[in-house]
Parts: sequence; structure tokens; C-alpha cells
Amino acid sequence: GESVGLHLPTLSVQEGDNSIINCAYSNSASDYFIWYKQESGKGPQFIIDIRSNMDKRQGQRVTVLLNKTVKHLSLQIAATQPGDSAVYFCAENTGGRAGNQFYFGTGTSLTVIP
Amino acid sequence: DTGVSQNPRHKITKRGQNVTFRCDPISEHNRLYWYRQTLGQGPEFLTYFQNEAQLEKSRLLSDRFSAERPKGSFSTLEIQRTEQGDSAMYLCASSPGVANTEAFFGQGTRLTVV
Repeated sequence: GESVGLHLPTLSVQEGDNSIINCAYSNSASDYFIWYKQESGKGPQFIIDIRSNMDKRQGQRVTVLLNKTVKHLSLQIAATQPGDSAVYFCAENTGGRAGNQFYFGTGTSLTVIP
Repeated sequence: DTGVSQNPRHKITKRGQNVTFRCDPISEHNRLYWYRQTLGQGPEFLTYFQNEAQLEKSRLLSDRFSAERPKGSFSTLEIQRTEQGDSAMYLCASSPGVANTEAFFGQGTRLTVV
């Protein structure tokens, strides 16, 4: 199956600093990507998405960058807050197929130090 | 709309017993997914419904697992003759019937097989 991996399993940042979480994917046919946040004991929560016809998308305090040439995705969180502490997953999808399933990476655990 | 609802939240069962989980998707979402997540890993795709039709099943879904969505609304996932290796979080997600849209996850059912 597809391989979605993350470069760093853990990340610690000081409150107020910016965070960058990276993700590599292997399926060049993937055309839709999502970043999810998962807190302990809860289901994944949508943060931001990006389609393959874009290379950057911004939300509230978050930016996703997509580099299709090297099959790399990143999530930038500005002014990181303690409430941002969670595991972050990137997920890829070949949306045009009937299955439309999402493939998830292992995740990066973000810890925000007050 | 209260989001995707899963019941029960926790289930402890003895090895060899059968268990059934329920998922109520967001109303009017015609796509429904089941995922399994073990500690420290990202969610792994199990199966997917478009309305009442089960369109895709992962190789992870052994013949002890069966999922249904009889009226295209709620879904059930049954595991027969449970094994300790089945212990995991079982996540349900739903999405509208439009390509390249996010899947909304429930809080999951934590299964422990003793």
C-alpha cells in the first residue's frame, strides 16, 4: 500500500515559537492531503487540507506547504500554544478513485513547553 | 448535528467472544469509513461504504470482521472470536459524497481483549 511517513516522531517547542511538522508521501497519484490533530483518547480532528493543484494554503495560525516534486508536505503552526500539544498526522488520498480512503502516517507528537 | 458518534466508547471482552460496535455518521454524509488504530500508529483503513454499499475492504479485515450499513445511515462493525491482537481503537469517519473532502472522525471505541 501507499507509504506516508513522518521525518520526526517527536517535537518539543517553547510556547510562542513556530512549529514545523514534516511528512513524506510515496504515492505520486495522491491528489488530496489533510493534516489531522489527535489528542489523547480522542479521534483525529481536521486541521487543514490542500489539493494537489496548490502548493500552499493558510488557515488560522496554520499553513500547509506541498512540494509535489519531492513528495513532501509540511504543517507550520504559528505562535504555538499549550493547547497545540497533540499527535499530528498527515493523510493522503487519491480522491478520484472509488475507494477514497485516506492513508495515514505514523504521526508526530508535538509538546509545547510553557 | 453532533458529529460522528460511536458506541460504546470502551469495551473489554474475553478472548473468543464476539463484539459489535456502532457508528452514527454525520447526517447526510453518504460515505462511511472504519479505521483501526494501535498505540503509536496512525489509523489504518479497514473498510468503506458509499451509502449502503461496501465498496472497499482492506486486507487487514480478516473473515472474523464484518461491517454493515443496512440503510445507508448507521454502521456496525462486528468482530467474531476476538483475539488479543484485536485490541485497538476502532475509529469511524464520515464524509459527504464529494471527492477531495475531509473525513470527520468519531471519538472511537477502545477495545481491550483479555
